[in-house]
Amino acid sequence: QVHLVQSGAEVKKPGASVKVSCKASGYSFTSYGMHWLRQAPGQGPEWIGWINPGNGDTEYSQKLQDRVTITRDTSANTAYMELSSLRSEDTAVFYCARDQSESRGYRFLDFWGQGTLVTVS
Amino acid sequence: DIQMTQSPSSLSASVGDRVTITCRASQSVRKYLNWYQQKPGAAPRLLIYAASTLQSGVPSRFSGSGSGTDFTLTISSLQPEDFATYYCQQSDITSWTFGQGTKVEIK
Repeated sequence: QVHLVQSGAEVKKPGASVKVSCKASGYSFTSYGMHWLRQAPGQGPEWIGWINPGNGDTEYSQKLQDRVTITRDTSANTAYMELSSLRSEDTAVFYCARDQSESRGYRFLDFWGQGTLVTVS
Repeated sequence: DIQMTQSPSSLSASVGDRVTITCRASQSVRKYLNWYQQKPGAAPRLLIYAASTLQSGVPSRFSGSGSGTDFTLTISSLQPEDFATYYCQQSDITSWTFGQGTKVEIK
């Protein structure tokens, strides 16, 4: 069975960086894209970016592209999201989620990590 | 970015009611529209993808329709476990975007 297990909660000062990990199991890590999203209190999810673990290609939201880096370690079946220059409005729950593409080309997020609360204060 | 607008933002309903949630995109997303359910303290759960295809394991009381800019999620007979927040999400154009959510509460 597919599992995505994220690292624990973080408290950071403004201006610092945070790196969240997402360890995948139960499937071929390099065969599926991995997305990162965040959800501020009372808000809908916001897409941050994604990585193709097979070749390391990434794509980021325009809003965050200057501050975010997504990487992967294929030997550890783990994806990482690092956000720098943190500010109070970055306080949110961060999620990783697996990208599933079906035969007609439609893409969706079929498995999610449990979430990691990042508090900037 | 494509803006996704859901209505209503919240609704009150009783067990057994038929519930319909609407999602409108600021430009056509063809059928690249997904629906998720989220309960407090949990990650979103995929319900429907490609506008109308039910994800494996999701009860058949959930259905989706639409294409282009206008979509609906319908729950044919609301069950106690369906009280949650529902989000639409487009996957046609990167950056993927979500609606602001519709909270379904007990009447």
